[in-house]
Formats: sequence, C-alpha cells, structure tokens
Amino acid sequence: KAGVTQTPRYLIKTRGQQVTLSCSPISGHRSVSWYQQTPGQGLQFLFEYFSETQRNKGNFPGRFSGRQFSNSRSEMNVSTLELGDSALYLCASSPRTSGTYEQYFGPGTRLTVT
Amino acid sequence: AQSVSQHNHHVILSEAASLELGCNYSYGGTVNLFWYVQYPGQHLQLLLKYFSGDPLVKGIKGFEAEFIKSKFSFNLRKPSVQWSDTAEYFCAVTGGSQGNLIFGKGTKLSVKP
Repeated sequence: KAGVTQTPRYLIKTRGQQVTLSCSPISGHRSVSWYQQTPGQGLQFLFEYFSETQRNKGNFPGRFSGRQFSNSRSEMNVSTLELGDSALYLCASSPRTSGTYEQYFGPGTRLTVT
Repeated sequence: AQSVSQHNHHVILSEAASLELGCNYSYGGTVNLFWYVQYPGQHLQLLLKYFSGDPLVKGIKGFEAEFIKSKFSFNLRKPSVQWSDTAEYFCAVTGGSQGNLIFGKGTKLSVKP
C-alpha cells in the first residue's frame, strides 16, 4: 500500500498570509490527524477527522482549521500566519477500528513564515 | 491532562552497547502506548505498540518495550545497538477512546561506529 502523502513538501509564506496543506491517507484509512512539530514544543496534536467530521481538537487558536473529504483526503488551513507558525506539519492516518489507534505518518510539510 | 516524559534528551552509545530509553506517562485510565522513530531526513515510523495483553512487546529492528502499569512506564530496549539506530525516538500515548497521540519530547540517540 502507498503511504501517507502530503503536499506541498515545502512552503514559504509571509506573515498575514494564509496557507492550505493537503494530506492523502493510506487507502482504507478513514481517520486523519494533524500534528505540528517544532524544536521547542515538540509534537503537538492539532485535530483529528473521521468520516468528514472533526472528532477531536488540540489546543490551538481558531486560525488553524481543517476538513476532510468523502475520499478521506484532508486539508489543513492556517489563516493570518504568524512567525511562530513556522514548523513541520505532519499528517497521520489510522484505520481507527475499535481498539486500533496506531497512526502512520506522512513526510510532513515544512512551513516557513517570514 | 495526559502527559509523557522522556528522561533523556540525548544518549550517546558505542555500537554493540545495550540501550534503554525511559518513558513515563500520566493517565489514570486505559492507555495505548507507542514508540516512534525518526531517522535523519525521514518521517516518523512506528517502532512498536502496546494495546493490551503481554506487557513485553517486540517491535521492528530488534527493539522491545515493557509496559509496567504500576510505574506508568513504557521503556524501550535493545540489547545491542548499531550505527544505523542513530535517530530520534518518541514515546507516545493515547488514552481511552481518544485517538490523538500525546508525545514525549523525544530522545536523540547517537551511535558511534
């Protein structure tokens, strides 16, 4: 099976702009989660989508939003970018069947805000 | 709130040395436990997982971890490390029906040839 894919791999944006990141999960996986990875804060959970519904949300401001499509692909949007949003954004997919929560990660999108 | 602590920030070992990386979590209910590895320039890969049953779990590449419920610990071990094990290792937990992973800060392992 193909792994989790994320596009684009690298992005450079200016403060105040908005950005949309895309994630395609492993075929058959219905759950997609997003994480932010920074040197200072480590890996932090943003949100999880399952069957097009947000199931869980981390402690991030409302500028961070996401959605999931009927084919399980997911997008994450960050509006009004700040310098502190520079990070590696990771997408993970999971079969999310009962009792099975392992997540498989994509390569990430490296976002730099200048 | 759930949290995960990894005791060592950076571990340096010589090849063939034994490895043990500490991980403690705080959560009072049923947990699922994971170790992920991030090799230089690569994405996070699942090393091993514990859901229930035998508290000693074996993963890929000769790694194993032991779940000790009374100590809220899930330490990662390998009897003999190789240079190719140089990577960053992350312990993570999910609790109850929550699917989101709570990660530790990670431990960088450097193995000298």
